[in-house]
Amino acid sequence: KQEVTQIPAALSVPEGENLVLNCSFTDSAIYNLQWFRQDPGKGLTSLLLIQSSQREQTSGRLNASLDKSSGRSTLYIAASQPGDSATYLCAVRPDTGTASKLTFGTGTRLQVTL
Amino acid sequence: NAGVTQTPKFRVLKTGQSMTLLCAQDMNHEYMYWYRQDPGMGLRLIHYSVGEGTTAKGEVPDGYNVSRLKKQNFLLGLESAAPSQTSVYFCASANTPDTQYFGPGTRLTVL
Repeated sequence: KQEVTQIPAALSVPEGENLVLNCSFTDSAIYNLQWFRQDPGKGLTSLLLIQSSQREQTSGRLNASLDKSSGRSTLYIAASQPGDSATYLCAVRPDTGTASKLTFGTGTRLQVTL
Repeated sequence: NAGVTQTPKFRVLKTGQSMTLLCAQDMNHEYMYWYRQDPGMGLRLIHYSVGEGTTAKGEVPDGYNVSRLKKQNFLLGLESAAPSQTSVYFCASANTPDTQYFGPGTRLTVL
């Protein structure tokens, strides 16, 4: 059974710092990995999707990397801002099946302080 | 364009009561999903649907039933609520398996 772990569970950084969030998964037979953002009391919004054949994806100040063989992904946030404060979740899709049954991590709660 | 909406936003039930959560999407998506989110456990898939009239079990289906009579709606039913079903429930829809759009959630408390 796939298990997805995110460390740390919570992180507080001052505005302007660069930071890295970690995601690890136990079964490397994945089709892709996504990073989501969840604001308090809201649903999830997809940030980045990395296919299993890719090493990284970038969107603005966000960069996600994937090392499938070692079961790890990182989300790098450059020049953090208070508006980045949210919970970040990663999710993996297995390489079998068509309905995209994602397995989610427990998330990292990020707070960016002024 | 409302996206994915969930009704109700909050609900308190007593043990043994029944209720139905409604998810509606206006994006003509084929795939729809119901998840629950509990502290320290991430999102877990309850049931999903790959098209109108179809449903399938996810990771934690026990105690829940679903129906997809219309393409735009996905209903989640609790026949006899238990305190263990206290959670935040999220619905999602997708046109391709990788692009799930999530609703705002329903916070359910079972006393």
